[in-house]
Amino acid sequence: DGGITQSPKYLFRKEGQNVTLSCEQNLNHDAMYWYRQDPGQGLRLIYYSQIVNDFQKGDIAEGYSVSREKKESFPLTVTSAQKNPTAFYLCASSILGRTGLRITEAFFGQGTRLTVV
Amino acid sequence: DAKTTQPNSMESNEEEPVHLPCNHSTISGTDYIHWYRQLPSQGPEYVIHGLTSNVNNRMASLAIAEDRKSSTLILHRATLRDAAVYYCILRVQGSSNTGKLIFGQGTTLQVKP
Repeated sequence: DGGITQSPKYLFRKEGQNVTLSCEQNLNHDAMYWYRQDPGQGLRLIYYSQIVNDFQKGDIAEGYSVSREKKESFPLTVTSAQKNPTAFYLCASSILGRTGLRITEAFFGQGTRLTVV
Repeated sequence: DAKTTQPNSMESNEEEPVHLPCNHSTISGTDYIHWYRQLPSQGPEYVIHGLTSNVNNRMASLAIAEDRKSSTLILHRATLRDAAVYYCILRVQGSSNTGKLIFGQGTTLQVKP
């Protein structure tokens, strides 16, 4: 089945360590996104990528890094520079709407809950 | 990015219709109106989207005001499984489109049996 998969579902990290969250999609989507969600809050955009080997910062990119070496994969690294990394992380993908093309929905993964211990 | 305003929470009884409002007074001509919903500890799920005309699908209906400054998501018969946070989002179309979704706080819908 086509879809978007995040792993792991739960992740624990010691303070000062980097950790990488996986996001894979087999929907042949151009665009991929990473969001962070804190309890009781909406989603905030961390990074997004419209094409392989290119990505842009979102609203809260500090302390995070990404790569887009393959169309299917968009891993997020939470670095030790991120001061408050405990959160729910969501990855999404969509067809990139260009002028004249139909806008379609974004598909979200089930999320990774990261806890710093 | 244009902003949306939604009530923080709403309640409904099971089997009754629910109207979830959204204000977007700064919407531009190239903005599509999207609705997503999020169940606890899950990723958001697409519900419906529209540009100018009212839209219907198997999940819901979307009523868009003539001036496009507001819209309403309509769940025709609420069930307990519809209890979720509903997000109204504007998504830019056109050559500058990045496909980004900018989420607000959303409306938490409670459905009472």
